[in-house]
Amino acid sequence: DAGVIQSPRHEVTEMGQEVTLRCKPISGHNSLFWYRQTMMRGLELLIYFNNNVPIDDSGMPEDRFSAKMPNASFSTLKIQPSEPRDSAVYFCASSPADTAYEQYFGPGTRLTVT
Amino acid sequence: EDKVVQSPLSLVVHEGDTVTLNCSYEVTNFRSLLWYKQEKKAPTFLFMLTSSGIEKKSGRLSSILDKKELFSILNITATQTGDSAVYLCAVEAMSFQKLVFGTGTRLLVSP
Repeated sequence: DAGVIQSPRHEVTEMGQEVTLRCKPISGHNSLFWYRQTMMRGLELLIYFNNNVPIDDSGMPEDRFSAKMPNASFSTLKIQPSEPRDSAVYFCASSPADTAYEQYFGPGTRLTVT
Repeated sequence: EDKVVQSPLSLVVHEGDTVTLNCSYEVTNFRSLLWYKQEKKAPTFLFMLTSSGIEKKSGRLSSILDKKELFSILNITATQTGDSAVYLCAVEAMSFQKLVFGTGTRLLVSP
């Protein structure tokens, strides 16, 4: 079992550039979550999908952030334009059940915006 | 607004000590409380608690929930250096699958 796969693992970009983070959930899991983790705010849920449909995007900080899940095996989180305060580790997680327990986290993407 | 508060923020102990980590919460329509361990990378699941007073145990780790007082504790006995990590507490509300995380307790176990 490959687990949740995220790419890239590290991303350094300049302010104003578009950033796209990618996630492949565990096969058979029907829920997918995007989180952001910073020292100041800890781990925050940005958005989650159930059966490819966005359920709650209230954690998405601004219109600069968007997420898609075109099929059961792929999701993207896009930031356009990026800003230095977006620097964080972004985690994707998937879950096989209709509850949040046992979410399996990917390794994360460390984003640095200069 | 749903809130999870963990204490202490950080803790340094010697190998062999016993530690207790605290998590208090305020959430609408509580469903479950979860504990995760985060080392250098992604959080890994430890426990899920839904009922008061029932201890969950895994090796040297154990956890219990008090739904009346709205808190949980995570105990680690006979700590080892490999227990060094950030321990995250999260609460799931009835609003379908949404987890609210605390900022974590950073534990360092020195040899």
